[in-house]
Amino acid sequence: DVKVTQSSRYLVKRTGEKVFLECVQDMDHENMFWYRQDPGLGLRLIYFSYDVKMKEKGDIPEGYSVSREKKERFSLILESASTNQTSMYLCASSSSAQGNTEAFFGQGTRLTVV
Amino acid sequence: GQQLNQSPQSMFIQEGEDVSMNCTSSSIFNTWLWYKQDPGEGPVLLIALYKAGELTSNGRLTAQFGITRKDSFLNISASIPSDVGIYFCAGHFTGNQFYFGTGTSLTVIP
Repeated sequence: DVKVTQSSRYLVKRTGEKVFLECVQDMDHENMFWYRQDPGLGLRLIYFSYDVKMKEKGDIPEGYSVSREKKERFSLILESASTNQTSMYLCASSSSAQGNTEAFFGQGTRLTVV
Repeated sequence: GQQLNQSPQSMFIQEGEDVSMNCTSSSIFNTWLWYKQDPGEGPVLLIALYKAGELTSNGRLTAQFGITRKDSFLNISASIPSDVGIYFCAGHFTGNQFYFGTGTSLTVIP
């Protein structure tokens, strides 16, 4: 069974705190993604990575950074949390193999910044 | 980034009815995916389509990859209460990004 695991289901953080969201996949996938999901706005891509130590900005990277030191782990960092970063965060992974391009999601992290 | 046009936005149906939803894109894709998301959970993959014209079933779910490669359809037959949730389409071409629909919220009335 494929598995993408996010470290926390719920987080409450204070404005200005540095926040780490962790994601681990056990499928040996090359690609990993971080999205945020807000009502009426759908899924928006923050960052993605197609290899260890590689990262690409998505549509809304401002206020975020990422780290991919190992193939199975992709971390999202909020350098200084703000209330407008309150959201549902979703991690996903996929293979680069042709004909096998399915994205698998973690269970999500509901982050509240107060 | 591109968001796919998904319709309808929401549906309220009686248990036992069939459901249809679709996604359209201005770009062609090599892969179409359909997901279901329960409240507070991550999306779960339902069906993957890899070939234009392909029709694939998963239990009561059937999805089709449009011939133009710019659209896809999902049908749910004989709906039951546990079908409630938000359904998303996703498209993928070359490169690594996925593009998602805006979601269809399904409510099934017992």
